[in-house]
Amino acid sequence: QVLLRESGPGLVEPSETLSLTCDVSGYSISTGYYWAWIRQPPGKGVEWLGSVYHSGSTYYNPSLKSRVSMPVDTSKNQFSLRLDSVTAADAAIYFCARLDRITAYPGLFDTWGQGLLVTVSS
Amino acid sequence: QTVVTQEPSFSVSPGGTVTLTCGLNSGSVSSRYYPSWYQQISGLAPRILIYNTDTRSSGVPDRFSGSILGNKAALTITGAQADDEAHYFCLLYMGSGIWVFGGGTSLTVL
Repeated sequence: QVLLRESGPGLVEPSETLSLTCDVSGYSISTGYYWAWIRQPPGKGVEWLGSVYHSGSTYYNPSLKSRVSMPVDTSKNQFSLRLDSVTAADAAIYFCARLDRITAYPGLFDTWGQGLLVTVSS
Repeated sequence: QTVVTQEPSFSVSPGGTVTLTCGLNSGSVSSRYYPSWYQQISGLAPRILIYNTDTRSSGVPDRFSGSILGNKAALTITGAQADDEAHYFCLLYMGSGIWVFGGGTSLTVL
């Protein structure tokens, strides 16, 4: 069974960098699949932030492209999210997820972490 | 800017049928956008229901079905149950690895 778990600070100051990590268990991310970050401001809709392959190939939401990066650490079986220059608008529940492009193209987000609430405040 | 539109809220009686839709501000939704549908029950992560327009994910009851109706993607729940009360998000694939979620529909079963 594949499990994903987000970790990182729950509070980030405005203008600082948000850094989160997703630990993957039950599956080696080096084997395949894309991995993604998705967020949801409390009480609001869901936003795809980006997807990353174990090789480092990435796709980012164009609205965030200049601020976001998603490094992968295959030795730790984890991938990360870095979001620079955060503002109050970046406060949200952040989910990591697996993008299954093997079952069907272009894929489905079939496994999700439980989510991590990040607040932006000084 | 691409905006995926959904009804903000909907209500259905237990045992009834409801159809939620997913549109695009810039035109029609067709199967080339590979529409998918996710269910989010309060406090939990979203769960995949339907992908590639009409394919049910493993373990999803057959009362959930997906289709294209006119110029929109649609999710139909036939024989709604109390535990179908949730938020439903559609997701479109825009190509080049880019995905866009709709704003979601809050479904009440009463």
